[in-house]
Amino acid sequence: DAGVTQSPTHLIKTRGQHVTLRCSPISGHKSVSWYQQVLGQGPQFIFQYYEKEERGRGNFPDRFSARQFPNYSSELNVNALLLGDSALYLCASNEQVNQPQHFGDGTRLSIL
Amino acid sequence: GQQLNQSPQSMFIQEGEDVSMNCTSSSIFNTWLWYKQEPGEGPVLLIALYKAGELTSNGRLTAQFGITRKDSFLNISASIPSDVGIYFCAGQLLGGTSYGKLTFGQGTILTVHP
Repeated sequence: DAGVTQSPTHLIKTRGQHVTLRCSPISGHKSVSWYQQVLGQGPQFIFQYYEKEERGRGNFPDRFSARQFPNYSSELNVNALLLGDSALYLCASNEQVNQPQHFGDGTRLSIL
Repeated sequence: GQQLNQSPQSMFIQEGEDVSMNCTSSSIFNTWLWYKQEPGEGPVLLIALYKAGELTSNGRLTAQFGITRKDSFLNISASIPSDVGIYFCAGQLLGGTSYGKLTFGQGTILTVHP
């Protein structure tokens, strides 16, 4: 079975632009979470969605938004990009919110 | 944002040696998890712990959920070169605004010399 898949794998943007990152969960998983991982640190929680509803939000500005679709895939949107948004963005999925989360390989976002 | 206190930050060991790393928090968690991350990849789940005092093994890996629910440790026995990577602990607290959120440590970088 396919694991969590994310696209694109790499992305280069300039300050002020907008970006959309995509995630397909493991088949049968209804919950998707997003994390930001800055080089040298552990992942930081951004959002969790379950059954298309937001169930948790981390300490990120309103420039960050997300949604989950009926097929349980998800998008993370970031507006007005800043240099500090450069990071690896990870998506994780699980069957239920209290089950272990399984991660994709991430999207490497570089802001110039 | 909040992160767990994970130690050591890095380890350089010889192949065949045992490894221990731990994670502490000022808050309690319902679940502790240990992940391994290699360059260019996402974190891979190694072990999940659900009860205080629980001791769980996965091959050469053994992890424990601390009695206070504020700590966990991971042991790797008889290390091999493919154990190289960054090991992360993560705590999960179910309920309230933290529902489902994972809080990660800073990671332990493991290097194994053949």
